[in-house]
Amino acid sequence: KNEVEQSPQNLTAQEGEFITINCSYSVGISALHWLQQHPGGGIVSLFMLSSGKKKHGRLIATINIQEKHSSLHITASHPRDSAVYICAVLQSNFGNEKLTFGTGTRLTIIP
Amino acid sequence: SAVISQKPSRDICQRGTSLTIQCQVDSQVTMMFWYRQQPGQSLTLIATANQGSEATYESGFVIDKFPISRPNLTFSTLTVSNMSPEDSSIYLCSGNRGTYNEQFFGPGTRLTVL
Repeated sequence: KNEVEQSPQNLTAQEGEFITINCSYSVGISALHWLQQHPGGGIVSLFMLSSGKKKHGRLIATINIQEKHSSLHITASHPRDSAVYICAVLQSNFGNEKLTFGTGTRLTIIP
Repeated sequence: SAVISQKPSRDICQRGTSLTIQCQVDSQVTMMFWYRQQPGQSLTLIATANQGSEATYESGFVIDKFPISRPNLTFSTLTVSNMSPEDSSIYLCSGNRGTYNEQFFGPGTRLTVL
């Protein structure tokens, strides 16, 4: 079983729909990242959070540390949101830090 | 923030050859990393590039196959040596400034080995 699981693996939606991508993890973490990867391969960091909720434009990320679960929401989705969204958890252990990545959720927004 | 560029952006190589990928950051970062993303898979850390000393490799990755240099705080190279089709992947460079709170990623190098 992977330490970081994302669902769904693939998601196709109509423009304007509200999107939710989920991330569950099985290890203790100090923080969680949501990343966006476009078809060319480049990655952009969307959020880093360790508790609660963060909002940036139409994107909202929440995390529940007790339940080891995070969600990424996109409101009023647009075709330019089409990308792979990756959840990555940060583990800190005696000063050593390690990022573990989920396999990603491929989002396609249809005009 | 920091902007990371990589060269080449993509390449098609023959089996048995080697390719060196360059990673340039527009400002100093503390730590630099090299990741591999095989088709349909998540990112896997290859190694941490240490300035002026040998890289720290993760389990399953060795210096002979993936030699890494980091001569200063803004530049690193990864060489994929004696390539085989199994090395076909996206290779990503990333950096941070002491903590993972600020994690920056390069655009990736898409490598195809025939």
